Amino acid sequence: GQQVMQIPQYQHVQEGEDFTTYCNSSTTLSNIQWYKQRPGGHPVFLIQLVKSGEVKKQKRLTFQFGEAKKNSSLHITATQTTDVGTYFCAGEDDKIIFGKGTRLHILP
Amino acid sequence: KAGVTQTPRYLIKTRGQQVTLSCSPISGHRSVSWYQQTPGQGLQFLFEYFSETQRNKGNFPGRFSGRQFSNSRSEMNVSTLELGDSALYLCASSLAPGADYGYTFGSGTRLTVV
Repeated sequence: GQQVMQIPQYQHVQEGEDFTTYCNSSTTLSNIQWYKQRPGGHPVFLIQLVKSGEVKKQKRLTFQFGEAKKNSSLHITATQTTDVGTYFCAGEDDKIIFGKGTRLHILP
Repeated sequence: KAGVTQTPRYLIKTRGQQVTLSCSPISGHRSVSWYQQTPGQGLQFLFEYFSETQRNKGNFPGRFSGRQFSNSRSEMNVSTLELGDSALYLCASSLAPGADYGYTFGSGTRLTVV
């Protein structure tokens, strides 16, 4: 069945360093979404990518969708303490499948 | 506007009991999805409802069921509870099925089975 793998599982970075999480699907996706979940909170929708090779930016966050529509990445430039949380990708084939998330820790 | 409302926020049940969780979507949202979140398995899709019809179902046993009412509110039921059912149950609503519009999550119901 459809699987969405996300790496790394955990990432510790110094404040100000960059951070990237990667998402890979076993099947071609119609679209991919990214969510952020703060500790103790619930997932919050960040963005959706639909087109092959699409790149979208939100301030310090850059989202990419692969040419084959099977992988995606989220890159954060110059991390801040407010970036702490778990970042999930969610790929849609015939239904939405979430990756297990990358938990980002920021070291002051 | 009000967000997605899930009730109750916390629940403690005994093995073998059943439980019903409620989700009120954002006004105008007609699609409701349910997820189980555990530290080990992450977010796992349970089912999605649209216009009172189950549109998709995840790989969970038949003890997990749900329904949607004409006002788009949804309920999820788990019968014969097992210890492994302890989890955060999240409901998410969307304007329509599929990911085109993004999903808005509620704060969840934390179920503990003892």
